[in-house]
Amino acid sequence: NAGVTQTPKFRVLKTGQSMTLLCAQDMNHEYMYWYRQDPGMGLRLIHYSVGEGTTAKGEVPDGYNVSRLKKQNFLLGLESAAPSQTSVYFCASSAGQGYDYGYTFGSGTRLTVV
Amino acid sequence: GEDVEQSLFLSVREGDSSVINCTYTDSSSTYLYWYKQEPGAGLQLLTYIFSNMDMKQDQRLTVLLNKKDKHLSLRIADTQTGDSAIYFCAESKPGGYQKVTFGTGTKLQVIP
Repeated sequence: NAGVTQTPKFRVLKTGQSMTLLCAQDMNHEYMYWYRQDPGMGLRLIHYSVGEGTTAKGEVPDGYNVSRLKKQNFLLGLESAAPSQTSVYFCASSAGQGYDYGYTFGSGTRLTVV
Repeated sequence: GEDVEQSLFLSVREGDSSVINCTYTDSSSTYLYWYKQEPGAGLQLLTYIFSNMDMKQDQRLTVLLNKKDKHLSLRIADTQTGDSAIYFCAESKPGGYQKVTFGTGTKLQVIP
């Protein structure tokens, strides 16, 4: 039962570098999400997807891009990393709207931008 | 507004009951959730309550919902050291997708 798998688990980037975070789920969930978690601010939604080939902006989308080419994968890209993007990033998935199962989360990616 | 507010910290002694509180502002919320985050891990769904319910009990967990006051609480009976974690309240609303807003989390410290 893999659930939601995120890679990598840790990464250190220099300002201006780019990287892609990968999220994979094996539950055939339609909806996938990227959140960032910062101290005292809870979880903030970056981008989400309601199905293969679709993406939409969340609360804090600036500086990030996403793609959902396959239903099971949701990629989060940082084109030019900034220190303000130092955070813990969580991917989540859900079966769809109106469900009472909540979200299934990955274990997170800790990103430091220096 | 879409704020979900929680106190940041709670400390209890092992064996006592813990009560974690949450307030939300959006009366259109459909489901309300409690998630648990252990150190270095993602959030794990603990329990949920539908907005037309007042209470839900699941083993040591009791969820109380006061819809009039927009107040949600999670009571953990006989709190154990393994319950030490951050607890997030969350609400979902109807819309184009299952929009969920999370609170800032309450760190529960259980003292042996």
